[in-house]
Amino acid sequence: DIVMTQSPDSLAVSLGERATINCRSSQNILYSSNYKNYLAWFQQRPGQPPKLLIYWASTRESGVPDRFSGSGSGTDFTLTISSLQAEDVAVYYCQQYYSGPITFGQGTRLEIK
Amino acid sequence: EVQLVESGGGLVQPGGSLRLSCAVSGFTFSSLWMHWVRQAPGKGLEWVADIKQDESEIHYVDSVKGRFTISRDNAKNLLHLQMNSLRAEDTAVYYCASGRGWILDNWGQGTLVTVSS
Repeated sequence: DIVMTQSPDSLAVSLGERATINCRSSQNILYSSNYKNYLAWFQQRPGQPPKLLIYWASTRESGVPDRFSGSGSGTDFTLTISSLQAEDVAVYYCQQYYSGPITFGQGTRLEIK
Repeated sequence: EVQLVESGGGLVQPGGSLRLSCAVSGFTFSSLWMHWVRQAPGKGLEWVADIKQDESEIHYVDSVKGRFTISRDNAKNLLHLQMNSLRAEDTAVYYCASGRGWILDNWGQGTLVTVSS
């Protein structure tokens, strides 16, 4: 199974500042035939189900604010929130869908400083 | 917009069974790849099982193989998860999610399964 490891486990950022969350996969999740990274990011607010933010490592889901961006390739990925808003307080998860079973990172809790 | 509503959760004794259902509306159910994902209290997300549109592909996480069965009824827009031989470690909120393949793009609110004597 592909193991997904996020860092840090928790993060406190001031409103309006940048937040950066990292995700590393235990195996390459870049598919050479289509040059796509099989990596998604989810946001889970308290008491809510997860919400898809980013897929193919850098494609924003429809309706997701453009302050959210994803980057990286191969085994190392980053979710960046360019200017933190109060509603961004949540746990964020990365997920690989390169090979079964689908696996998630352990989550990163984002709070306001 | 796809809407997913889970039902069937509850309290069950170890070794018991439960059948979860997920009603899907707002989209052509038969075109969706469907998944179950669970979240133990205070823990992270664990993918459980998935089923392709025509049931030609079904996959499970190792920890539920032989105990859980995913199925779907495309005529009734329903997804099911039959859970047998339940263990304490199966206690979780169970979410159904629709997928563009393995991209999980819509999620239900979840249903809580508690396995305890």
